[in-house]
Amino acid sequence: EVQLVESGGGLVQPGGSLRLSCAAAGFTFSRYEMHWVRQTPRKGLEWVSYIGTSGRDIYYADSVKGRFTISRDNATNSLYLQMNSLGAEDTAVYYCARDIDFLLGVFDIWGQGTTVTVSS
Amino acid sequence: DIQMTQSPSTLSASVGDRVTITCRANQSISSWLAWYQQKLGKAPKLLIYDASSLDSGVPSRFSGSGSGTEFTLTISSLQPDDFATYYCQHYNSHMFTFGPGTKLDIK
Repeated sequence: EVQLVESGGGLVQPGGSLRLSCAAAGFTFSRYEMHWVRQTPRKGLEWVSYIGTSGRDIYYADSVKGRFTISRDNATNSLYLQMNSLGAEDTAVYYCARDIDFLLGVFDIWGQGTTVTVSS
Repeated sequence: DIQMTQSPSTLSASVGDRVTITCRANQSISSWLAWYQQKLGKAPKLLIYDASSLDSGVPSRFSGSGSGTEFTLTISSLQPDDFATYYCQHYNSHMFTFGPGTKLDIK
């Protein structure tokens, strides 16, 4: 079964750090571009970051640029998001999502999400 | 920046109804538009890409149309499983923007 499973969410204090992981299964992970997308009740769905198949091509939303780092390990079928200098505005459900293999930016497989809460 | 809007924000309908949701972009986005369905507590699910192409396994009662700045998602005959929130999303050149969503609930 094709699936993505996120982990690593939790409660963190403002200014703190957190590392999210996403385990991929059921498909050849190294062949797919990947993304992180987050969702809040106030702002809705917001694309966060993109990483190409080899990990060389990387893009971030302006709202997280300089604070978040996306990476991947194709040997272990894993995607990561290192989040630093967290603020209340980063509180959200974070999803990893697979890019459909013939269009950039269409998300055909999503994980179940992991919740990040930034609060003192 | 490209901004996406959706209307209505909430739509009440009955099983069997034909419903249409509209998505607008503040500038032309050609056909670079996807639609997703999200149920409470679940991840979004891709329905349509390139404005009108159904993803694999999506029922044919779903259809999409439009280009440029105005797009529509139509459900031809609502089924109980279709009551959810629907999002449009623009994609192009590493800029990916979602609309605010349309909640479809039971009348």
